[in-house]
Order: sequence, then structure tokens, then C-alpha cells
Amino acid sequence: NAGVTQTPKFQVLKTGQSMTLQCAQDMNHNSMYWYRQDPGMGLRLIYYSASEGTTDKGEVPNGYNVSRLNKREFSLRLESAAPSQTSVYFCASSEIGSGSGYEQYFGPGTRLTVT
Amino acid sequence: KQEVTQIPAALSVPEGENLVLNCSFTDSAIYNLQWFRQDPGKGLTSLLLIQSSQREQTSGRLNASLDKSSGRSTLYIAASQPGDSATYLCAVHNTDKLIFGTGTRLQVFP
Repeated sequence: NAGVTQTPKFQVLKTGQSMTLQCAQDMNHNSMYWYRQDPGMGLRLIYYSASEGTTDKGEVPNGYNVSRLNKREFSLRLESAAPSQTSVYFCASSEIGSGSGYEQYFGPGTRLTVT
Repeated sequence: KQEVTQIPAALSVPEGENLVLNCSFTDSAIYNLQWFRQDPGKGLTSLLLIQSSQREQTSGRLNASLDKSSGRSTLYIAASQPGDSATYLCAVHNTDKLIFGTGTRLQVFP
């Protein structure tokens, strides 16, 4: 099992450009999450999907959109990138919502720089 | 609003020492607490998950405890090794979200 995979690993964008970060999991998990990690701020939840067909905002959703394409895949889109979105982005999944007591498993991250 | 704090922010110890990392949270109404390890430039690796009904969990040289009433968790690392050098993050599960602390950066020198 590959676990949680993310593409791309690195990306440099110019301000105003758009891009989609891809995430896939092969553990048959119901819930998937997108986080960003910034120095001194820890990891913050951007969006999550408790189950296929549902998505909800997290702590820092502005400037992002998500799509739960199917049970395996959850993408994060930046429509018009801004320098404030320079960060490391992590995707995670869990069997069902974290309130149930199930562990979250993380992908390797995408390092995004917006110039 | 749930806030998670980790102290110390950084720690440097000689190999072989037993050490304790601390995590505190402001809202005791959590479902569970998870400890992670993050190596530089890498993703997060789950170390231990403690459910709210449990007091502790053990995995090898790691032992994590949870005291919900006082809003605290500790991660105990026995006989530390240079390979333990990493950033350790705790996160509390609130409803369907994880709230993270900012981590403790650990360096174990030979």
C-alpha cells in the first residue's frame, strides 16, 4: 500500500496563477483533509471531506477550493495564487471522522512557493 | 476555541537520556489525542493515538499519557538515540478536526 500520495512534490507559481494539488489514498478511508504548515503557526486545517460527496471548511479556507472526486481522491485548488499561500501543504486521511478515535495518516507534502 | 501548546519549543540532549515532551490543551472535551513525528522536509508519521477513555499508550521506547481533566499529555522517550532527532507534534481531535500544537524540535547528540 502506498498510503497517502500527493502530487506535485514541489511547485513554484507566479502571483495570480492557478493550480491544483492532487491527493489520493489507497486505504479505503472515508475522511480526507487538507492542511497547510507555516513556520511558527503549526498545521492548520484548510478543508476536509468527512465522506465521499461532502466537503466542509476548516480554519483557513479563503483562497482555496476543494473537490472530493471519489472515495480515493481529494484535490485542492488555488484559483489565483498569492504570496501568502506560500506554504507546505499536507493531505491526510482517516477511516472515519477524527472524532471517532481513528488515526489520521499524512502524505509527504507539497512545497509551494508563490512569487 | 481549542488551543494546543507544546513546551519546550526545542530540546537538545545527549544520547541515552530519558526525556519528556509536554502538550497542553485548553478544552478538555476532546475525543482523543495523537502524537506525530516529523523529520525535516518530510511528512508526519503517527506515533501514538490515545483515546479519551484511555490514560496512556505505549509503543517501544515511547509512552504517551493523557490527563483530560488537567488538559495535559506527555510523551516519554526512554533511552534517547540520535535517530530520535525530529520535531514532535501533538494534536487533539475535536469533533471531526485535528488541532495541532506547534511542536517540540528535539536533537539527540552522540
